[in-house]
Amino acid sequence: EAQVTQNPRYLITVTGKKLTVTCSQNMNHEYMSWYRQDPGLGLRQIYYSMNVEVTDKGDVPEGYKVSRKEKRNFPLILESPSPNQTSLYFCASSLIGRADTGELFFGEGSRLTVL
Amino acid sequence: QKEVEQDPGPLSVPEGAIVSLNCTYSNSAFQYFMWYRQYSRKGPELLMYTYSSGNKEDGRFTAQVDKSSKYISLFIRDSQPSDSATYLCAMSEGFQKLVFGTGTRLLVSP
Repeated sequence: EAQVTQNPRYLITVTGKKLTVTCSQNMNHEYMSWYRQDPGLGLRQIYYSMNVEVTDKGDVPEGYKVSRKEKRNFPLILESPSPNQTSLYFCASSLIGRADTGELFFGEGSRLTVL
Repeated sequence: QKEVEQDPGPLSVPEGAIVSLNCTYSNSAFQYFMWYRQYSRKGPELLMYTYSSGNKEDGRFTAQVDKSSKYISLFIRDSQPSDSATYLCAMSEGFQKLVFGTGTRLLVSP
């Protein structure tokens, strides 16, 4: 089954404790992206990657890091989480020719709470 | 002013009603227009995708784009309780950057 898998789905952590949210897709998509979804603000892009070893900032990259060492994986790293990073996070992927026209496949989301 | 405006709802309708969901936008460079559906505790899934102006129909769903008014719509005919979800509009200039609306929550009661 074609899917984007995120882990963990739910996480409660404390300020400053480094964490990684994993994302993996099995569709051989070149393009992958991370979004956060907050009430009243909608989905905002954090980082995206056009291919292995190619990443770029989205609209809200502060406090986040990413890496793309393999085509299928695109982990999101919070080096020192803060309460304002409490949010619902989505990973998405697409074929490179479809990414800029919005045909994204989303994971099921990771709800992160930072105390 | 946000680039994309969308009424958050909730919009409550009885089963069988015609539903109209709308978004307005300010960036005249947007060329690609999408509607995503998001069920509770799930990720968004692409419902409809339209390039430039005009209508597109897929079963009970019709997407409409009016670039002159900077206004897009999604119509759902014969709405079903299973259509209850949050509907997100999204748009793009075509260079990897999608801008999403905040979503409209739709409730279809039996």
